[in-house]
Amino acid sequence: QSVLTQPPSASGTPGQTITISCSGNTSNIGTNTVNWYRQLPGTAPKLLIYSNNERPSGVPDRFSGSKSGTSASLAISGLQSEDEADYYCAAWDDSLNGLWVFGGGTKLTVL
Amino acid sequence: EVQLVQSGAEVKKPGESLKISCKNSGYTLSNYWVAWVRQMPGRGLEWMGIIYLDGSNIRYSPSFQGQVTITADRSISTVYLQWNSLKASDTAMYYCARHVRDGDNERKLDSWGQGTLVTVSS
Repeated sequence: QSVLTQPPSASGTPGQTITISCSGNTSNIGTNTVNWYRQLPGTAPKLLIYSNNERPSGVPDRFSGSKSGTSASLAISGLQSEDEADYYCAAWDDSLNGLWVFGGGTKLTVL
Repeated sequence: EVQLVQSGAEVKKPGESLKISCKNSGYTLSNYWVAWVRQMPGRGLEWMGIIYLDGSNIRYSPSFQGQVTITADRSISTVYLQWNSLKASDTAMYYCARHVRDGDNERKLDSWGQGTLVTVSS
């Protein structure tokens, strides 16, 4: 059981916009910023969004993040077949002297 | 360029010991931490622990406290993850990642190693 809650799956067609939600509590998302990671099959996770809505260099502006209270969302616009991957949210949790917590991951299928 | 390069895949028997490594390069090591993350087959990401690169400060997830040991050798910019007695349930991919603190409430795991696959089987 992951500390952060994500839907296990999401799907969309090419060109569509999809969103993936991530729910936490006051000790993690409610206090600290949210990061999103993309994991392609057989590869390491890659930072996609940090500080709720910032994109590292090289990440297309089709990817955007937002946060409100104890929840966050990742939006992907102009969906492409290569976006098919697992997406994870993560946040620092201030309980127990501090620890990272992750969502269970959302498998995105591009139909 | 920030790089975290992990040691290669391992196949071990239950009860054996193991130490895997994560070598860091391309950045100034002071003021950075390195985390270890487990991913069991077909499962999500689990944070195991974190170490300050001079080895002076280590924190473990309650789920992994006492099960693994995290150490660092600052002279060669390398972080280690160690088991004294492996179990079949330790079979997983293990990632190291650089932990960056940008502000009071802003942190990220921004660069990741390629992963080390550990298989424990009799």
